[in-house]
Amino acid sequence: DAGVIQSPRHEVTEMGQEVTLRCKPISGHNSLFWYRQTMMRGLELLIYFNNNVPIDDSGMPEDRFSAKMPNASFSTLKIQPSEPRDSAVYFCASKDRSLAFFGQGTRLTVV
Amino acid sequence: AQKVTQAQTEISVVEKEDVTLDCVYETRDTTYYLFWYKQPPSGELVFLIRRNSFDEQNEISGRYSWNFQKSTSSFNFTITASQVVDSAVYFCALSEARRDDKIIFGKGTRLHILP
Repeated sequence: DAGVIQSPRHEVTEMGQEVTLRCKPISGHNSLFWYRQTMMRGLELLIYFNNNVPIDDSGMPEDRFSAKMPNASFSTLKIQPSEPRDSAVYFCASKDRSLAFFGQGTRLTVV
Repeated sequence: AQKVTQAQTEISVVEKEDVTLDCVYETRDTTYYLFWYKQPPSGELVFLIRRNSFDEQNEISGRYSWNFQKSTSSFNFTITASQVVDSAVYFCALSEARRDDKIIFGKGTRLHILP
C-alpha cells in the first residue's frame, strides 16, 4: 500500500478563493482524521470519520470549513472562502484499530 | 477530558548526550493508548511507538526508550547517545478507546542535537 495520499502537497491561493484538500486513506482503514498544524496551536484535530460518517467536528474552526467522506477511499476538506489565517499544514491520517498513519500533508498558503 | 501536555517547548543538547522528553496526560478512561510521533525537518509524521494503558512495561528500541508510569500519568521518551539525525519535533499523543479512538496530540517538543 502506498500509505495515506494527500493532494496537493502545496497550495497557494488568494484570500476569498475556495480551497479543496484531498485525502486517500489506506485501504481497509475505517477511521479518517483531518488535522491542522500551525506554530501557534500545534496539531489540532479538525474532524474525524468512522466508516465514512463524521463523528466529531468540534475542531472545525468555523462554517467556512467543511469536510466530506463520500466513500471509504476518499475524503475532502474544503475552505470557502479562504483567509490568510487559514495558512497552515493540513494532515490527513487513517487509522487501523488504534494506530494512525499520516499523509505527507498539504501546505496551504493564503495570500 | 483528554489532554496531553509536553511542557518542554524546545531542547538543545550536544551530540552523544542523553535526552528525555516529558509527556503528561489526562484521561478519565481506564482503557487508552499513548503514542510518540517524530516530525523531522522534512515535515512528515513518523510513528515511533504505541502503548496501551494495561501495559506499563518500559520499552527499548535501539537508542530509544520509553517510560510509562500510570501513577504519575506520564509517558516519557529518552534518546540515549543522541545523534544529529534525531533533531526533530516529537509529539506525544493520547487516544481514549471509549471515544472512538480520537487521537489528541501535545504541542510537541522541538529537539536540537548540536554537533
